Amino acid sequence: AQSVTQLDSHVSVSEGTPVLLRCNYSSSYSPSLFWYVQHPNKGLQLLLKYTSAATLVKGINGFEAEFKKSETSFHLTKPSAHMSDAAEYFCVVSKGGATNKLIFGTGTLLAVQP
Amino acid sequence: GAGVSQSPSNKVTEKGKDVELRCDPISGHTALYWYRQSLGQGLEFLIYFQGNSAPDKSGLPSDRFSAERTGGSVSTLTIQRTQQEDSAVYLCASSLTVSGANVLTFGAGSRLTVL
Repeated sequence: AQSVTQLDSHVSVSEGTPVLLRCNYSSSYSPSLFWYVQHPNKGLQLLLKYTSAATLVKGINGFEAEFKKSETSFHLTKPSAHMSDAAEYFCVVSKGGATNKLIFGTGTLLAVQP
Repeated sequence: GAGVSQSPSNKVTEKGKDVELRCDPISGHTALYWYRQSLGQGLEFLIYFQGNSAPDKSGLPSDRFSAERTGGSVSTLTIQRTQQEDSAVYLCASSLTVSGANVLTFGAGSRLTVL
């Protein structure tokens, strides 16, 4: 069965410093992995996706994630945090097969301090 | 439409009443998904549609929950005899097909509060 584990429920960084949001996955085959972001009172927005092409995936707003099969990880990073990055971030794995059902992690709430 | 539309955005109801939540997916998207987001539970899959049929209803919490989709477009999630534990944000998403590589586009959600 597919699953994702987000290792931190809350992360706080200062504006201008790097962001690291950690995610480990479990999958019996090569997974499709995603990061979604949810700003307060807004819908979920796709940041980036990995679907077995390049292992380093670039997304919107300067975010990127690296798929590391040996570590079963898909951590999200950004070199320099901006105040507008404050939001909840979800690591997601696709169940694949005929459903495209997404399995969500429990989320990481990112706070950005001025 | 340009995005996934959900209505109502907020619904407050009394315990025991029935509610209907509506989702209007992106035009041309054949797959439609319902998720529930509640405090402490994260995002839970409820049901998905391919066209008008629902191959996977495994996430529906009880027989009080049902959903339908007509014309391969609009979907309605119905909760009968609402309970306080049904309070949550109900999210709808659509994708072009059910291929695992397809991205789901989410609506802003319907926040349900059961008093």
